[in-house]
Amino acid sequence: GAVVSQHPSWVICKSGTSVKIECRSLDFQATTMFWYRQFPKQSLMLMATSNEGSKATYEQGVEKDKFLINHASLTLSTLTVTSAHPEDSSFYICSAQTSGGPPSYNEQFFGPGTRLTVL
Amino acid sequence: LAKTTQPISMDSYEGQEVNITCSHNNIATNDYITWYQQFPSQGPRFIIQGYKTKVTNEVASLFIPADRKSSTLSLPRVSLSDTAVYYCLVGGVTYNTDKLIFGTGTRLQVFP
Repeated sequence: GAVVSQHPSWVICKSGTSVKIECRSLDFQATTMFWYRQFPKQSLMLMATSNEGSKATYEQGVEKDKFLINHASLTLSTLTVTSAHPEDSSFYICSAQTSGGPPSYNEQFFGPGTRLTVL
Repeated sequence: LAKTTQPISMDSYEGQEVNITCSHNNIATNDYITWYQQFPSQGPRFIIQGYKTKVTNEVASLFIPADRKSSTLSLPRVSLSDTAVYYCLVGGVTYNTDKLIFGTGTRLQVFP
């Protein structure tokens, strides 16, 4: 199946710094990628939809100036958490949607996640 | 987007069949039903997807009644490694425009 990677798998940073997380589709092209955040014992919360070559669409309540998303190519999307604070500590997961295949089938392939800890 | 309702948790023993039912009363005509599995500190993994009736693959079966207002994921002969959270999602499959909204999921605990 299709593989999605994330880098780094975990990161610890100081409060006030910025952190960049990469999401790559390794063996397919992804016109659309999604970013989720998951707190312990909770479900995944969709943060934004990232489309290659255009601005990301953010879900209600997600600060677009704090969570910068760039989708510069069909295989790479990045999420930058700017001026991170302890409350931004979470598990960030991306997913990539295939840009080809039958229109009746839609599968998202998820990355392994990135654990962010802000001190 | 259709909202889903699942039991928060379920317990089972190794070797038993587990059925997890999901309610989605407001499912739209073009919505598919998809189930994902998630282990701690990992991304979700696709299990199975269907539109109506029954779908079976090497790991699970998905039963969907005619009115499509619910669906049941069936895991045959579970093992300890099936302990995970299972999410039921519904959404349209419009090319490149769909987004998945995760509900609470069902935390399955398998005991020896």
